[in-house]
Amino acid sequence: QVQLVQSGAEAKKPGASVRVSCKASGYAFSRFGINWVRQAPGQGLEWMGWVSASNGQTNYAQRFHDRVTMTTDTSTTTAYMELRSLRRDDTAVYYCARVRGFPDYWGQGTRVTVSS
Amino acid sequence: DIQMTQSPSSLSASVGDRVTITCQASEDITDNLSWYHQKPGKAPRLLIFDVSNVEAGVPSRFSGSGSGTDFTLTISSLQPEDIGTYYCQHYYFFPVAFGGGTQVELK
Repeated sequence: QVQLVQSGAEAKKPGASVRVSCKASGYAFSRFGINWVRQAPGQGLEWMGWVSASNGQTNYAQRFHDRVTMTTDTSTTTAYMELRSLRRDDTAVYYCARVRGFPDYWGQGTRVTVSS
Repeated sequence: DIQMTQSPSSLSASVGDRVTITCQASEDITDNLSWYHQKPGKAPRLLIFDVSNVEAGVPSRFSGSGSGTDFTLTISSLQPEDIGTYYCQHYYFFPVAFGGGTQVELK
């Protein structure tokens, strides 16, 4: 069955970087893209960007484009999202999701807390 | 960028009630719309894609309709496990976007 398993919770200081991983299994990894979506405490879902698992092509939301890098490793069927220059308002749960045009299967989420 | 507006932002209904949630796109997105259900502390779950196609394993009480800019999610008979927040999302082109969410509670 399709599974996306994300890395564990992270605590970071303002200005630091965080990298979240998303290990995929149960499907042909290169045939689907991966979305990254975040959810701040008590807030809605916010799309951050998309990465193709076949060729690494990306499309980022404008508000993140200078701070985020999304990559995939087909040898380990893992997607990565790195967010730099963290601010307190980057505190959120970060989700990866497989994309078949739209997100269908989601990871369990990774909590990132930014605090001094 | 296309904006997605959901209404209501919250609602309270009884078990067995028919529940309707609407989602409006700021421009025509044809049929590129999906719906998700999120329970507290959990990842969203796909319910409906391409406006009206019910994802495998989703109960038949969920249905979707609409076209162009106006869309509806209907729960024909609300069950206790349906509480949580519902989100629409367009995927017509980048950047994709979610609606603000509709919180459903039991009366």
